[in-house]
Amino acid sequence: SQQGEEDPQALSIQEGENATMNCSYKTSINNLQWYRQNSGRGLVHLILIRSNEREKHSGRLRVTLDTSKKSSSLLITASRAADTASYFCATGGNSGYSTLTFGKGTMLLVSP
Amino acid sequence: GAGVSQSPRYKVAKRGQDVALRCDPISGHVSLFWYQQALGQGPEFLTYFQNEAQLDKSGLPSDRFFAERPEGSVSTLKIQRTQQEDSAVYLCASSLAGGGSDTQYFGPGTRLTVL
Repeated sequence: SQQGEEDPQALSIQEGENATMNCSYKTSINNLQWYRQNSGRGLVHLILIRSNEREKHSGRLRVTLDTSKKSSSLLITASRAADTASYFCATGGNSGYSTLTFGKGTMLLVSP
Repeated sequence: GAGVSQSPRYKVAKRGQDVALRCDPISGHVSLFWYQQALGQGPEFLTYFQNEAQLDKSGLPSDRFFAERPEGSVSTLKIQRTQQEDSAVYLCASSLAGGGSDTQYFGPGTRLTVL
């Protein structure tokens, strides 16, 4: 079963614009991670935010986490055509090891 | 450096055939995970190994699915008597230790189509 749910399911923007994707989840988490998946390629880890963090930055990426609302957002600033991909949030549980529970993903299309 | 590799990249099987999917994790990574990704969905957890021990197989959909990692490195996911609903991309991931915050590195996946 899928824990997270991304919103929107699909997003189409122009190069240079910002893209915001949201993720909601259901149970308590240890951390939340965002992954990117290009067509025909595997998942690439983008950023991890721990449950005691509220915001994290990595290059053009900004992630926020609101554990009270069980939600997270991923902001990609100054988007590029190469950012075209599906983006998934994944939650890590509280077990000693961390299997990831993924959402259904947001498909982002960045047009030149 | 070498990442996670999987073979074959594509597999077509007739319903009822057995298939074996291979995963080569990053050298030295203790933890290995298998996920199943149906079309248009996010990956779903199948099973987890720490070295050669299979610590969690709660995500395996049926007893037709079997995974092993006998020497704590390469892993094989076997599906017996394949069914059309088994058609999906099977992803393997490895992490250095497998702790709660370890990054998982994913392979490119094996796309299985069952006719």
